[in-house]
Amino acid sequence: DAGVIQSPRHEVTEMGQEVTLRCKPISGHNSLFWYRQTMMRGLELLIYFNNNVPIDDSGMPEDRFSAKMPNASFSTLKIQPSEPRDSAVYFCASRGDAGNTIYFGEGSWLTVV
Amino acid sequence: SQKIEQNSEALNIQEGKTATLTCNYTNYSPAYLQWYRQDPGRGPVFLLLIRENEKEKRKERLKVTFDTTLKQSLFHITASQPADSATYLCALDRSGGSYIPTFGRGTSLIVHP
Repeated sequence: DAGVIQSPRHEVTEMGQEVTLRCKPISGHNSLFWYRQTMMRGLELLIYFNNNVPIDDSGMPEDRFSAKMPNASFSTLKIQPSEPRDSAVYFCASRGDAGNTIYFGEGSWLTVV
Repeated sequence: SQKIEQNSEALNIQEGKTATLTCNYTNYSPAYLQWYRQDPGRGPVFLLLIRENEKEKRKERLKVTFDTTLKQSLFHITASQPADSATYLCALDRSGGSYIPTFGRGTSLIVHP
């Protein structure tokens, strides 16, 4: 099993630019989570999809953030326009129907300068 | 408001000793609690899950207790090794059985040879 795959692993971008982070969940998993991790706030849930449908997006900080899941094997998190305070590690995670364990990707390290 | 509290100070112990990490929570009624391990630059990795009706769970050198009256979980690593050095995060599902994991900020464990 390849695990949750995220890209890019590292991104440095200038303030105001659009950033798109990508995620491929584990095959067969029907729940997908986007989390953001910073030193100040720890690991925060941004959005949760179940069967490709956004169920809880209460953690999305503002309208600059959007997430999509067009099919069961792909999701994107977009930030437009990006700001320095968006600098963080963004994790995608997935979960199958049978359990409660979530499996994380290795994260996308975003730096906005 | 809901809170998950883990000791922000690193725990330093000698190899061979038992490490005990604490997770306290308020305003949650979790159906289960999980512990994850996170190494620098990596995503969190699931270790153990304990349900609300279980007092204790073991896996090899790991032991987790769950006291829903005290609203506390303790995570023990016996015969600790330098390779156990990492950050350990506890996670609770949000109240109402939504099964969306919310994470504490984690405690760093450093095991000295």
